[in-house]
Amino acid sequence: EAGVAQSPRYKIIEKRQSVAFWCNPISGHATLYWYQQILGQGPKLLIQFQNNGVVDDSQLPKDRFSAERLKGVDSTLKIQPAKLEDSAVYLCASSFGGRNTIYFGEGSWLTVV
Amino acid sequence: GESVGLHLPTLSVQEGDNSIINCAYSNSASDYFIWYKQESGKGPQFIIDIRSNMDKRQGQRVTVLLNKTVKHLSLQIAATQPGDSAVYFCAESPANQAGTALIFGKGTTLSVSS
Repeated sequence: EAGVAQSPRYKIIEKRQSVAFWCNPISGHATLYWYQQILGQGPKLLIQFQNNGVVDDSQLPKDRFSAERLKGVDSTLKIQPAKLEDSAVYLCASSFGGRNTIYFGEGSWLTVV
Repeated sequence: GESVGLHLPTLSVQEGDNSIINCAYSNSASDYFIWYKQESGKGPQFIIDIRSNMDKRQGQRVTVLLNKTVKHLSLQIAATQPGDSAVYFCAESPANQAGTALIFGKGTTLSVSS
């Protein structure tokens, strides 16, 4: 079974530029999450989708971050404009929903210089 | 806000020893707990989970113990191997939040020497 796919794996941008990350969840998984993991810390939730609807985006910095899952399958996370403190790994995860196991992708590593 | 924490940032063991990684949580509304293993450059990998109606759950070489009285979670790894070297995170899922997302602690780095 294919896992959660993410791209790009690595990205270096200058501050104030924009960047977009793509995620394709495990087939059949209705729930999709985006997490931010700063070096040395545990992942922190940015947004949770159930199919194409937002369940929880309370921790998403909406002035610069946006995410969508228009057709309820793959998802895009965008940052515009980027700040130095956005340097982190952006992890996508998915599950069947409810309290089922959440599986993570390998992450997209962002460096803002 | 409330979050999951870990008692020790690092743990060093010899190959073949048993490892115990501890975690304290503070949200009494949490009813689902998971342990993840994260190797360098990779995403978190599911190890084992436990629900609040259980005290103990066993997997292959791993056991998770849950003590709801003192809000404590532990991961026991039997016969630790060099391949077990990684950062281990415990995560909780509070029943009183909007979604089903996990709240992670800071992690314990396990180093296994042969």
